[in-house]
Amino acid sequence: DTEVTQTPKHLVMGMTNKKSLKCEQHMGHRAMYWYKQKAKKPPELMFVYSYEKLSINESVPSRFSPECPNSSLLNLHLHALQPEDSALYLCASSQDETGNYNSPLHFGNGTRLTVT
Amino acid sequence: AQTVTQSQPEMSVQEAETVTLSCTYDTSESDYYLFWYKQPPSRQMILVIRQEAYKQQNATENRFSVNFQKAAKSFSLKISDSQLGDAAMYFCAYRSGYGGATNKLIFGTGTLLAVQP
Repeated sequence: DTEVTQTPKHLVMGMTNKKSLKCEQHMGHRAMYWYKQKAKKPPELMFVYSYEKLSINESVPSRFSPECPNSSLLNLHLHALQPEDSALYLCASSQDETGNYNSPLHFGNGTRLTVT
Repeated sequence: AQTVTQSQPEMSVQEAETVTLSCTYDTSESDYYLFWYKQPPSRQMILVIRQEAYKQQNATENRFSVNFQKAAKSFSLKISDSQLGDAAMYFCAYRSGYGGATNKLIFGTGTLLAVQP
């Protein structure tokens, strides 16, 4: 069982829709991450939150808007997406932002997003 | 900049046999961490094993072990007594030991492992 829960598992949306992806963890982790993964490719970092503050934005287009309401929750708001944004979106968390040996990343099962 | 290379896009192993997945990396740093993640069809990235660069002893987790050759910048994963549930995409990853969140987890391109019954 995953300790990082992502909803929904699948999402199909049109280019004019607004939708949100949700991620939740109850491990007391203080860093949370959004990754984008295309088929048969490694995950690509999008955003990092540390202690509920955005610490990294990997030059992600503004049609992706992250939000961290509290230390356990992470949202990704989607608006006016393009078909090329179709991908698996993975959420991850770690004890702190170092992500090193004692603070490895724990991933959720992802949300499979299709933009039509 | 650091890079991680996995030269085997696909591998196959018979059930109960042993398989080794290769990973090489390039860095000028002396303090870093290396990881192997497994991604089965369920899509979740699962941490398999991790290694600290300054530890010479190879990490082991049950049937999974690594051969860490720091001078050669090699970090291969050995899976012993392969099971059907080991079938997955395996990613090697590097993270710098310097600094904080600005040091990203750098992934290799992955190796797709098939386990034959």
